[in-house]
Amino acid sequence: SQQGEEDPQALSIQEGENATMNCSYKTSINNLQWYRQNSGRGLVHLILIRSNEREKHSGRLRVTLDTSKKSSSLLITASRAADTASYFCATETGANNLFFGTGTRLTVIP
Amino acid sequence: DTAVSQTPKYLVTQMGNDKSIKCEQNLGHDTMYWYKQDSKKFLKIMFSYNNKELIINETVPNRFSPKSPDKAHLNLHINSLELGDSAVYFCASSQDPTAEQYFGPGTRLTVT
Repeated sequence: SQQGEEDPQALSIQEGENATMNCSYKTSINNLQWYRQNSGRGLVHLILIRSNEREKHSGRLRVTLDTSKKSSSLLITASRAADTASYFCATETGANNLFFGTGTRLTVIP
Repeated sequence: DTAVSQTPKYLVTQMGNDKSIKCEQNLGHDTMYWYKQDSKKFLKIMFSYNNKELIINETVPNRFSPKSPDKAHLNLHINSLELGDSAVYFCASSQDPTAEQYFGPGTRLTVT
């Protein structure tokens, strides 16, 4: 299965701290995407990084991609209580859909 | 305006019934999807529909059938509902299969 796996499954930090989530996958990809899901809501796209990119920034988000290790990380700096959500990585492999990981549940304590 | 909308938001029904969930996107996207999210939050692709080409996840029972009356709509019809069908179903769309996806708010289906 191409399904990615996020690590850790759950993460709890204090507001203002940085949060790092990791994603590993199994086969070659065209791009990797990160999504956020607030409880009871649909997923929201955060950032897309292509296979030929190594790092990408968007506001307080920083994503890295290491295709040799088939892994990616999402860093949220200066976390806020509003960042509390589940975060999913998803890989695009040319199969006409995304394969989602198992998600990391982030809790930011005010 | 809502980009991807689904109706209904909640659906409670009995085993054996047939039900439909509707999805509409106003983004002009060419590709639409249906996902199932189970109680463990695992998100599984069920179908993708791109330029009239339907790609089915072969693990999906044939009781599930997507219907696309036009490019902006992809409805999900479920026959003979079972307890295990209880989940949240998400519709999504994207400009093409490689691009970021926009998700609907989800439909929570409960089969009793």
